[in-house]
Amino acid sequence: AQSVSQHNHHVILSEAASLELGCNYSYGGTVNLFWYVQYPGQHLQLLLKYFSGDPLVKGIKGFEAEFIKSKFSFNLRKPSVQWSDTAEYFCAVWNTNAGKSTFGDGTTLTVKP
Amino acid sequence: NAGVTQTPKFRILKIGQSMTLQCAQDMNHNYMYWYRQDPGMGLKLIYYSVGAGITDKGEVPNGYNVSRSTTEDFPLRLELAAPSQTSVYFCASSPLGATNEKLFFGSGTQLSVL
Repeated sequence: AQSVSQHNHHVILSEAASLELGCNYSYGGTVNLFWYVQYPGQHLQLLLKYFSGDPLVKGIKGFEAEFIKSKFSFNLRKPSVQWSDTAEYFCAVWNTNAGKSTFGDGTTLTVKP
Repeated sequence: NAGVTQTPKFRILKIGQSMTLQCAQDMNHNYMYWYRQDPGMGLKLIYYSVGAGITDKGEVPNGYNVSRSTTEDFPLRLELAAPSQTSVYFCASSPLGATNEKLFFGSGTQLSVL
């Protein structure tokens, strides 16, 4: 069965620190990869996505993620976090054949001002 | 363009009560989904639908039922509410097609079963 692992459950950083959130998936077929963000009190919204092509994708608000096929990974990065990045981050894998997404358990990011 | 609309936003149920969570999308999307979000557990797929008249079970379907009589609507039914169903429920939709897998989410329904 397809699964998604996010290794960090809770990350606490100071403003201007660099961020990397891990995401690994366990499906060998064709997948599309996503990071979603949920700000406090708001609903899920798309941060960035990878379908094909350049494995380094850039999203909104200075976030980027790198798809490494050999490692089944899609880690999220940001060079310098801000207090407003405090949120919960979900990695998701879309199984093209099944037509559905599997989500990781989420990582709560707290950025201290 | 409203996107995905969920109602109600909050609800408290007593054990054994039933209710329907409503979900509607106005983007003519074929795919619709119901997820529940438990703290520390991420999003789990309850049911999904690839089009009107077609539904299928996800990872955690027990205790729930769905129907998809129209493209726009995908209600989720809880027949006998249990405390284990206390969660935040998200409806989502996506268009049909290999290059359009982005999920559009509703704002969620916070349900407490006491």
